[in-house]
Amino acid sequence: EVQLVESGGGLVKPGGSLRLSCAASGFTFSSYSMNWVRQAPGKGLEWVSSISSSSSYIYYADSVKGRFTISRDNAKNSLYLQMNSLRAEDTAVYYCARVGAAAGLFDYWGQGTLVTVSS
Amino acid sequence: EIVMTQSPATLSVSPGERATLSCRASQSVSSNLAWYQQKPGQAPRLLIYGASTRATGIPARFSGSGSGTEFTLTISSLQSEDFAVYYCQQYNNWPRWTFGQGTKVEIK
Repeated sequence: EVQLVESGGGLVKPGGSLRLSCAASGFTFSSYSMNWVRQAPGKGLEWVSSISSSSSYIYYADSVKGRFTISRDNAKNSLYLQMNSLRAEDTAVYYCARVGAAAGLFDYWGQGTLVTVSS
Repeated sequence: EIVMTQSPATLSVSPGERATLSCRASQSVSSNLAWYQQKPGQAPRLLIYGASTRATGIPARFSGSGSGTEFTLTISSLQSEDFAVYYCQQYNNWPRWTFGQGTKVEIK
């Protein structure tokens, strides 16, 4: 069974940093591209960042480019999101999601971790 | 950026009735369109991809249609577990994938 479990969320002040993790199991993690998708409270879904299976290709939404860094450790079956210079508008539930049959198609999602940016 | 517009924002339907949800793209996304279901406090679940292919384990009462810029998700006979928010998403414009704002299907 595919499982994705996020952790690392919490309350942080504007300008602060946070590192999210996503632990994967139930599939060959090193064979799949992975993504982060976020959802602000009461709002819709927003794609944040993508990383290919070997970390060769990395992409970011314009809203986080230069502030967030995605990475992965295939030996540990883990995905990460380093978030710096956090803003109030980054407040959201952050989901990690596996890419399925096509790039940008998210076939499995974690339960999410809440990041709150507030003073 | 491709803007995805869903309608209506809220759909009130009685159990057993048919629900029809619409999604429009600001430019053609071919058939690279997915639908997700999200229940309160849960992660989204993939329902449909390729505009019309059901994901693994998705009941046959869910069907998708359309191509280009106009898409439809139909739930043929609503069950209690189907009341949720539904999002469409284009994955044609790589890697700028975008979602619609969602349609909430509520009990009438």
